[in-house]
Amino acid sequence: GQQLNQSPQSMFIQEGEDVSMNCTSSSIFNTWLWYKQDPGEGPVLLIALYKAGELTSNGRLTAQFGITRKDSFLNISASIPSDVGIYFCAGLMNSGYSTLTFGKGTMLLVSP
Amino acid sequence: DSGVTQTPKHLITATGQRVTLRCSPRSGDLSVYWYQQSLDQGLQFLIQYYNGEERAKGNILERFSAQQFPDLHSELNLSSLELGDSALYFCASSVAGGTGNTIYFGEGSWLTVV
Repeated sequence: GQQLNQSPQSMFIQEGEDVSMNCTSSSIFNTWLWYKQDPGEGPVLLIALYKAGELTSNGRLTAQFGITRKDSFLNISASIPSDVGIYFCAGLMNSGYSTLTFGKGTMLLVSP
Repeated sequence: DSGVTQTPKHLITATGQRVTLRCSPRSGDLSVYWYQQSLDQGLQFLIQYYNGEERAKGNILERFSAQQFPDLHSELNLSSLELGDSALYFCASSVAGGTGNTIYFGEGSWLTVV
């Protein structure tokens, strides 16, 4: 199947710091999605990106759809303890969610 | 709360056994998806049903099967269980099969095979 390379695997930061994580692929995707998963919960959609070059914000989160359509990044500004969790990127090659491919996640730990 | 309900939340069973995981989609959602999440493989798509019919298959083993019932709830059957089947199994739902609507995940069923 398709592979998404997500980095970093984990991050341990101080509260208030900015965070950046990214996903790259050898394949072109038509949609990039970013999810957050809290312990014991399912993934929750944070941001959806539908066009190459698109830059979208959701509060302190900003994500961009790479121009080549093979990458995406997620930035979190002024991190807070509740940002702790695992962040997943996911790419869609066509219009069906059955083709949703997930990265392996970035575990974020925030120290108060 | 995503509105997608999965039961049971946790179960422990022995190798060779069979289990059934149940999912109730969000009200109004016709499409149900099953995913497996393990430490080494991440989130893997297993199978999708739309309005009772199988729509797409992913990395689902032959020992696994699923169905969607007329009331739109779905069950994932896992048989001849092996240690490697231990994982978190997620159900997700969306209104239709396309990406015009958001896909919502349940809280998962944690399966441990001993």
